[in-house]
Amino acid sequence: EAGVAQSPRYKIIEKRQSVAFWCNPISGHATLYWYQQILGQGPKLLIQFQNNGVVDDSQLPKDRFSAERLKGVDSTLKIQPAKLEDSAVYLCASSFNQGRSSGGTIYFGEGSWLTVV
Amino acid sequence: AQRVTQPEKLLSVFKGAPVELKCNYSYSGSPELFWYVQYSRQRLQLLLRHISRESIKGFTADLNKGETSFHLKKPFAQEEDSAMYYCALFNGAQKLVFGQGTRLTINP
Repeated sequence: EAGVAQSPRYKIIEKRQSVAFWCNPISGHATLYWYQQILGQGPKLLIQFQNNGVVDDSQLPKDRFSAERLKGVDSTLKIQPAKLEDSAVYLCASSFNQGRSSGGTIYFGEGSWLTVV
Repeated sequence: AQRVTQPEKLLSVFKGAPVELKCNYSYSGSPELFWYVQYSRQRLQLLLRHISRESIKGFTADLNKGETSFHLKKPFAQEEDSAMYYCALFNGAQKLVFGQGTRLTINP
């Protein structure tokens, strides 16, 4: 079974520039997550999709971050304009379904490493 | 508010010694707790969950509701156990909340 795919793996941009990350979840997984992991910290949920609808985006800085999952499969996360503090690994993850029947088992991609200079 | 605390950022033990990675949580409901692991140059992956009561790679974790803890234990550490370990809580809003992580190093 193919895992969660993410691209690009690495990106360096200047502050105030924009960047977009792409994610392809595991086939058949209805729930897709974007996490931000700053160096030395645990992953923090930015946004959670169930199919193509947003379930939770309470921690997404909406003035600069946006995410979409138009056809309920692939997703993109965009940052515009980027700030220095956005330097982090952006992890995409997916699970078969939302809720306790999935048991909290989510499958992570390798992450997209962003450095803002 | 839900919170997961891993008090040790770094933990170093010798091969063959017992290992215990601490995890405490705060959650008003009935929690579901997990340990995720990230080996060097690999993606974050599930190690074990409390509802399964399973032992994976020799690791076990018992949920102690009285102490609100979910410590990860292994009686005899192996070098391949060196990794980042994250404790996580699945809350009623269907969100997985992670602790800060503990970097475990097993010395030969």
